[in-house]
Formats: sequence, structure tokens, C-alpha cells
Amino acid sequence: EDQVTQSPEALRLQEGESSSLNCSYTVSGLRGLFWYRQDPGKGPEFLFTLYSAGEEKEKERLKATLTKKESFLHITAPKPEDSATYLCAVQVDYKLSFGAGTTVTVRA
Amino acid sequence: NAGVTQTPKFQVLKTGQSMTLQCAQDMNHEYMSWYRQDPGMGLRLIHYSVGAGITDQGEVPNGYNVSRSTTEDFPLRLLSAAPSQTSVYFCASSPTGGNGYTFGSGTRLTVV
Repeated sequence: EDQVTQSPEALRLQEGESSSLNCSYTVSGLRGLFWYRQDPGKGPEFLFTLYSAGEEKEKERLKATLTKKESFLHITAPKPEDSATYLCAVQVDYKLSFGAGTTVTVRA
Repeated sequence: NAGVTQTPKFQVLKTGQSMTLQCAQDMNHEYMSWYRQDPGMGLRLIHYSVGAGITDQGEVPNGYNVSRSTTEDFPLRLLSAAPSQTSVYFCASSPTGGNGYTFGSGTRLTVV
């Protein structure tokens, strides 16, 4: 059975305090790993897709990396507007399996 | 270009009632999916479609029906609503299934 586990469940950061979110997965036939951002009351917003171990993607203060068993989302010098829930998902065939998410709160 | 549009945004149903959640996309995407999101459980796949006329079950399909008569529309039908179906429902679409899915803004459903 495909499993996606995100940690920690919640993360409270001071503005400028860098940190990392973890997404570990157990799947057969991974087609891609996705990171999404979700704000309260809204749908998930696509951030990154990673396809193979060693791959990295960056967008502003966010950087996603991928190994054979896990992915990390690094947040560098976060700002309050980075506060959100970050979701990790793996794709097998045409289906996405999501982790429960990490809720990040950045205090000014 | 509206993306993925879901209606209604909010709905309250009584146990046993039926209803249809609407989803439409204007990006000519072949792949469309329905998810439900419950606290602490993440998004779970209900049904998906890889093109008009083709649908399949996801992780939690019981109590839901779908059809895909056009590329644009992918409605989700609740046959006989139960309190366990209280959730936030998201529709998503993708051009190929291998790229990022675009999500709608969700429908918050309460079954009493």
C-alpha cells in the first residue's frame, strides 16, 4: 500500500528562521512527487514536481529536494506570508496520494 | 480563463438526500479527479477520469458516483448523503496526469 508521511505536523517559525519539512514515502512505481501550498479555505496551489532522486527545484524562498525515500521542502528566511499548510503528494499511475500536511506559521 | 470552477461553495444536506457537486475546467485538461479533505487525514481520492467517457474509482469511492460526458465537466453525485460524508471536496484537473494538478476552491459539505 502506498504511504506518504509528512513531518512535523506543525511548525512555528520566527521570521528569518530557516527550517525544513519532511515527506517520506513508500510507493511502487513513482511517477512524480509534488509539493502544494494550501491557504485556509482555499484549494491546494501547485509548487513543484520532482521526478528522480537528486533532483532539486527552487522558487523564491522555497527549495524542494528528492531522494529515493523522501523529499524535503526547505524554507529559507521565511516571511509571514509563507504561513500555510504544505502538502506532499506522490503520483502512481494517474493517481495522487497525499500526506496529511505540515502547517507552517511564521511570526513577524 | 477561469481554471477549475466548483459549485456550490457551501452546502448543507439532510441524511438521505442526494445532490451533485459540479466541477468544470476550461483548460482542455484530459485528467480530472475528485478528492475529499478531512482534518488530520489529508486529501483522499474519490474518483478520477483520464478522458471523456472514462472514469475509475479511487481510494474512497463508496457512496459517490461520477460521469464524464465532456472534457470540461466532471460532476460528483452523492447518492444518499450520510454524516460521514461531511467534508471539504476538491476537484482537480491536469493536462497529462504527469504534471501538477490544478485544484478548484472546494465545496464545504455538511450532512446533518
